[in-house]
Amino acid sequence: QSALTQPASVSGSPGQSVTISCTGTSTNIGNYDLVSWFQQHPGKAPNLMIYEVVKRPSGVSDRFSASKSGNTASLTISGLQPEDEADYYCCSYAHGDFLVFGGGTKLTVL
Amino acid sequence: QLQLQESGPGLVTPAETLSLSCIVSGGSITTANYWWGWIRQPPGKGLEWIGIVFYSGTTHSNPSLKSRITMSVDTSKNQFFLKLNSVTAADTAIYYCARQVGLGAWTMDVWGKGTTVTVSS
Repeated sequence: QSALTQPASVSGSPGQSVTISCTGTSTNIGNYDLVSWFQQHPGKAPNLMIYEVVKRPSGVSDRFSASKSGNTASLTISGLQPEDEADYYCCSYAHGDFLVFGGGTKLTVL
Repeated sequence: QLQLQESGPGLVTPAETLSLSCIVSGGSITTANYWWGWIRQPPGKGLEWIGIVFYSGTTHSNPSLKSRITMSVDTSKNQFFLKLNSVTAADTAIYYCARQVGLGAWTMDVWGKGTTVTVSS
């Protein structure tokens, strides 16, 4: 059982927006602005999409945005494209100097 | 461009020690503000953070694995290492090495392609 809770799956049509939630506790998401999001295509290594809750690394599309409220972080993908179909993982710093992941969310572009 | 490449045995016998290495190319392992980490992914499952090591040898590890893991660095070879002892089938996974941005950001920005490890007799 993962420390962070994500929906197992979400879906949307091309051009639409989807939001993936990630719920933790006060020992991780709730007290630290150190949430990351990773995209993973089948058979590939994860790719960093968001760090420090809202920051995008260079090269990541601005269609990807994120936020946090209380113990829940969220990733929003706008203008869905077929290539966005992948698994998405949230990750947070946890009290005690380690990282915890969510169980992952499979995004299907219909 | 920084690249990481894992290497390991592929198959490990239960109760034995799993040893993996990660070679860093295109940059120095001694670059300030970067740590070097391990993450694993069991077949069909999610990601699990194992731990990180700084070039000085300082480490941080997942409390659930801490008693079984050893991480180290060889700066002369630009490599870092993971040892996981007393393995069981539950340790079967793809093991990734990654660069972790300094302790301020706590995120992994460059990943290796991963190496598959199967624990079986």
